[in-house]
Amino acid sequence: SQTIHQWPATLVQPVGSPLSLECTVEGTSNPNLYWYRQAAGRGLQLLFYSVGIGQISSEVPQNLSASRPQDRQFILSSKKLLLSDSGFYLCAWSVGGTGSRAFFGQGTRLTVV
Amino acid sequence: AQSVTQPDIHITVSEGASLELRCNYSYGATPYLFWYVQSPGQGLQLLLKYFSGDTLVQGIKGFEAEFKRSQSSFNLRKPSVHWSDAAEYFCAVGISSGNQFYFGTGTSLTVIP
Repeated sequence: SQTIHQWPATLVQPVGSPLSLECTVEGTSNPNLYWYRQAAGRGLQLLFYSVGIGQISSEVPQNLSASRPQDRQFILSSKKLLLSDSGFYLCAWSVGGTGSRAFFGQGTRLTVV
Repeated sequence: AQSVTQPDIHITVSEGASLELRCNYSYGATPYLFWYVQSPGQGLQLLLKYFSGDTLVQGIKGFEAEFKRSQSSFNLRKPSVHWSDAAEYFCAVGISSGNQFYFGTGTSLTVIP
């Protein structure tokens, strides 16, 4: 069966420090991968999505970047965190077109202090 | 641009009462529509989805949703709410032109005894 791993579950980072959140999917090939952020009062915001290795689409210009070095690995990064980067980050995957449902990781609670 | 609107930020209902959560979308074609639930401390779980066909779809946990093209709506309903239904509910749209999902801002449901 397919599973998605996202870590760490919680993270407290100082302003200006770098960030690396990792997400891996098991049990499927060539998934579509997504990074979402859930900020208070703003719901789930699509940050990046990827349809293949090295293919990244950015939805919202910001202080973050994403990379997909392997088929089932999706990494969210920042060189210098801002206070406004605090939030709940969710990785998700789907296969096929967007008619297929998305499967979500357990999320990472990031607090920038 | 595509958008998903959940006009109710927070709803409180009594246990056993009926529930309706509203969702409106803006998209040029018929999208794929989803409702997800996020319980405290848990990831997102798919409740139901609509692709085509019967406009009334049944989901898990006794939920149903009705797609109304004329109103661009996909409202979630449950005839009798249980205390365990207290959670955050997200409506989502899948865009067929790309592998993207867009979410509403969420509706927080409180169930009182």
